[in-house]
Amino acid sequence: NAGVTQTPKFQVLKTGQSMTLQCAQDMNHNSMYWYRQDPGMGLRLIYYSASEGTTDKGEVPNGYNVSRLNKREFSLRLESAAPSQTSVYFCASSSGTSFGGYTFGSGTRLTVV
Amino acid sequence: QQQVKQSPQSLIVQKGGISIINCAYENTAFDYFPWYQQFPGKGPALLIAIRPDVSEKKEGRFTISFNKSAKQFSLHIMDSQPGDSATYFCAASIRHAGNNRKLIWGLGTSLAVNP
Repeated sequence: NAGVTQTPKFQVLKTGQSMTLQCAQDMNHNSMYWYRQDPGMGLRLIYYSASEGTTDKGEVPNGYNVSRLNKREFSLRLESAAPSQTSVYFCASSSGTSFGGYTFGSGTRLTVV
Repeated sequence: QQQVKQSPQSLIVQKGGISIINCAYENTAFDYFPWYQQFPGKGPALLIAIRPDVSEKKEGRFTISFNKSAKQFSLHIMDSQPGDSATYFCAASIRHAGNNRKLIWGLGTSLAVNP
């Protein structure tokens, strides 16, 4: 099925460990996004990539880095995980220029202990 | 002002009732207003959307009402069912950095429909 695939689905990290969340889309979308979702705080944009080769900070970029590897793939890296980064992370994609909606992956539930 | 204010934060409705979720915005440059539905353990999915030149859009039991002068829009779920229990997000789209667009999100409403 066409869509956005995120891996892993669940992860537990110790404080200070690093990890990369992977995201791939097969809809030929130009734009890709990383969000985090915390109770009562909605969806907060971490980083986005308007097109292949570009990345920009969102609302809450501190402690994260991203790589737009190619048009399909957009990864999120936590260099030194902190308990405050415990959250559910969603990757999304869109055409970028049309009024069309975002397509989200099913999320990664990350716990930092 | 690039905020979208959503209310209520949570809502409990009896089966067969009408669920109403409201959103308000300030920036008149917003030109597309989607609603997303999120079930537990899943990502949000586009439910229904409206352009500001339309006052109402209906898709099955879901209706968006749009009041351009008041800068408000709302989602109505008629004959609410337990399967509608989910978190609902309103959003507003705006042109950004040339031809690109971005979404500004409300904080979400957790809807529970009691059987």
